[in-house]
Amino acid sequence: KNEVEQSPQNLTAQEGEFITINCSYSVGISALHWLQQHPGGGIVSLFMLSSGKKKHGRLIATINIQEKHSSLHITASHPRDSAVYICAVKETSGSRLTFGEGTQLTVNP
Amino acid sequence: NAGVTQTPKFQVLKTGQSMTLQCAQDMNHEYMSWYRQDPGMGLRLIHYSVGAGITDQGEVPNGYNVSRSTTEDFPLRLLSAAPSQTSVYFCASRSDRDIGTQYFGPGTRLLVL
Repeated sequence: KNEVEQSPQNLTAQEGEFITINCSYSVGISALHWLQQHPGGGIVSLFMLSSGKKKHGRLIATINIQEKHSSLHITASHPRDSAVYICAVKETSGSRLTFGEGTQLTVNP
Repeated sequence: NAGVTQTPKFQVLKTGQSMTLQCAQDMNHEYMSWYRQDPGMGLRLIHYSVGAGITDQGEVPNGYNVSRSTTEDFPLRLLSAAPSQTSVYFCASRSDRDIGTQYFGPGTRLLVL
């Protein structure tokens, strides 16, 4: 069992829909990262969370430390949001990040 | 700032050849790391460094060497390339070993024949 599990693995939506991607982890963490990988391969850091909620434009990330769960929401989705979204956790001990396998999001016009 | 740069962008090697993937960052970050990304497996950590002169192994270190002689540079060496090392390689850095935004390079696509 992976230490970081994402769901769903694949998600197809129509433009304008509200999207939720989930991330569950099994270890104690000091931070959780949400990353976006574009079709061209580049990886961009979207959020880094240690508690609560963060918002940037149409993107919202939440984390529940007690439940070991985080969600990434996209409001009013657009085809340019099509990408792979990756969750990664920084364990309390050590300095490495552990990555989920990613969620492939496709937003159709 | 250029951020995290990687060279080359694409490389084809024959089995047994050696090469070095270059990575540099101009943000004075302490923490740097190398990942490989293979279909269906997510990002896997090869080696990482928490500062100049300090390196450590990640999940999949076999067949790779690293060094960190300066804060800016973190090259990854393939000692004797194998087809199993065909992958996309990403270098990343962040400012604090415990908590900090992760910056990724653009990636190097490596094909080993």
